[in-house]
This record gives sequence, structure tokens and C-alpha cells, in this order.
Amino acid sequence: GQSLEQPSEVTAVEGAIVQINCTYQTSGFYGLSWYQQHDGGAPTFLSYNALDGLEETGRFSSFLSRSDSYGYLLLQELQLKDSASFFCALTGNQGGKLIFGQGTELSVKP
Amino acid sequence: DTAVSQTPKYLVTQMGNDKSIKCEQNLGHDTMYWYKQDSKKFLKIMFSYNNKELIINETVPNRFSPKSPDKAHLNLHINSLELGDSAVYFCASSQEVGGNTIYFGEGSWLTVV
Repeated sequence: GQSLEQPSEVTAVEGAIVQINCTYQTSGFYGLSWYQQHDGGAPTFLSYNALDGLEETGRFSSFLSRSDSYGYLLLQELQLKDSASFFCALTGNQGGKLIFGQGTELSVKP
Repeated sequence: DTAVSQTPKYLVTQMGNDKSIKCEQNLGHDTMYWYKQDSKKFLKIMFSYNNKELIINETVPNRFSPKSPDKAHLNLHINSLELGDSAVYFCASSQEVGGNTIYFGEGSWLTVV
């Protein structure tokens, strides 16, 4: 099967940098994604890593290391509006289903 | 303009009732999904359809029956609703099976009383 672990909560201050880690167990996958979900809203796609290394999209970057079964999402220049839940997710190579981690609730304080 | 739209947004119903949630996507995607998010925010896939064909059925009770009349629509019918069915149900779509970007609808908040 597949499973992902990420911290349940992270708190940071406005303007800071925060890293949300994700470790996983899987028998095979296409890539690791990150989604953001504000309270009461839908999950929205942030980033995808198919290969090892860093992918940068504006203030957000995502990293994958297949050899370490590990990835992270890096958020820079934090803003209050970044407060949300962040999910890592694996795209499995059997049926292509997306398996989500439990989510990390990020609180950005002034 | 909405990419993935689902109705109703809110649904309160009694145990034992049957209800349906409808979903439509206008992105031209081939693959559609139903996800369930529980009170602890855990997102779990229920079903996946590719071009109207069922490809994933994740050990969901057979009270839940998805139907895809065409590749732009994926509806979810739930029979004999139970208290534990209370959750947010998200419809989603992607370009193809295993697509790296999944687009979610706004969710349907189901409360069973």
C-alpha cells in the first residue's frame, strides 16, 4: 500500500520561511504533489515533482528525493493569507490514483 | 466559468434516505473522481472514472453508486444514508489517468441526522 506522513501543525510569522516535510512509503509512484486547502474551500494544486530535485513556483518550492522517500514544500515570504492546510499526495502507478497525506495546518501569525 | 462544479453545496438529510450529488467539468478532461473528506480533513479517494469507465473503486460500501453518463459528468448516488456518511464530498478531474494536476470542485457538505 501507500502511506504519507506530514506534521499536523506548523506555526510561523509573516515574512518568514517555512518548510513542510512529507515522508512516504510506496511500492511505486509517478510523482509527489502538493495541494493547499483553505477552510471551507477546495484543495488547489500547488506543485508537482516527478523527478528528484527542486521545483520553484513563485514563493513556493517543492523538493523530492526518491532515494530518501522524502519531499518538502518550502514557502517563502509568508503572508497571512497562506494560513491553510497543505497536503502532500502521491500519484500511484496503479490506476494513477492520488493518495493524500493527513495534511499540515499552517498558521501564519502577524 | 467554473471548471468543476458540483451540486448541491449543502445537504442535510435524515438517516435512511437516498441522495445524489451531481458533478460536471468543462475542462475537457478524460478522468473524474470522487473524494471524501472527513471531519479530520483526511482526503480519501472513493472512485475514479476514465472516459465513462470505472477504473478505481476503493472499498466503498455498495450503498455508494457512481454514474458517469459521459466523460464530463460523474454523479454520486448514496442509498440508505448513515450517520458516518456525514462528510464533505469532492468531485475532481484530471486530463488523464495519473494526471499530475487534479482540479477539485467546491465540495458538497453532507450532514446526516
